[in-house]
Amino acid sequence: DAEITQSPRHKITETGRQVTLACHQTWNHNNMFWYRQDLGHGLRLIHYSYGVQDTNKGEVSDGYSVSRSNTEDLPLTLESAASSQTSVYFCASSVNRDSFQFFGPGTRLTVL
Amino acid sequence: AQSVTQLDSHVSVSEGTPVLLRCNYSSSYSPSLFWYVQHPNKGLQLLLKYTSAATLVKGINGFEAEFKKSETSFHLTKPSAHMSDAAEYFCVVSAFNAGKSTFGDGTTLTVKP
Repeated sequence: DAEITQSPRHKITETGRQVTLACHQTWNHNNMFWYRQDLGHGLRLIHYSYGVQDTNKGEVSDGYSVSRSNTEDLPLTLESAASSQTSVYFCASSVNRDSFQFFGPGTRLTVL
Repeated sequence: AQSVTQLDSHVSVSEGTPVLLRCNYSSSYSPSLFWYVQHPNKGLQLLLKYTSAATLVKGINGFEAEFKKSETSFHLTKPSAHMSDAAEYFCVVSAFNAGKSTFGDGTTLTVKP
């Protein structure tokens, strides 16, 4: 069955370190998204991609970057982790830009 | 531009009583609308979707929602709450021309025995 996976599921890191969160989908979807979820803020869009070599900034993109070298993967990199980036991160994919999204299980990141 | 407002951050009901979670939206386009459910420490799961077909949409687990364009609303209902319905619910508006989805802040549903 097609799926979307995230790794690691839990990560503890230190301030200033570079961290990469992986997202892999086997739906063959062109559209992929990264969100962060914080209490009181719902889900906020970090970056998104409409296809290979395409990336776009969302509403909370500062301090994050993504690259899309193939259809299946959209890794999220925190260039220099900050305590404010402690959050739960969700990856999602969709067949069309306005269709519903399949979500991964999430990565809980703690920055100490 | 598009936005979504979930009118209640917390809703508490007794088991067996009706559920109403309210959602208003705005969009410059002809939007698609969705409700997702998130159980504790889990990812989001699609509950139902409206994509310009029937205005009354039925979803999983007995939930349904009605798209009312004149009121710009997409409220989620269920006739009889079950303990397993306790979760967080997100209303989402999306449009192709907007290029992305916009999530509401979520409504936490508590079901009392």
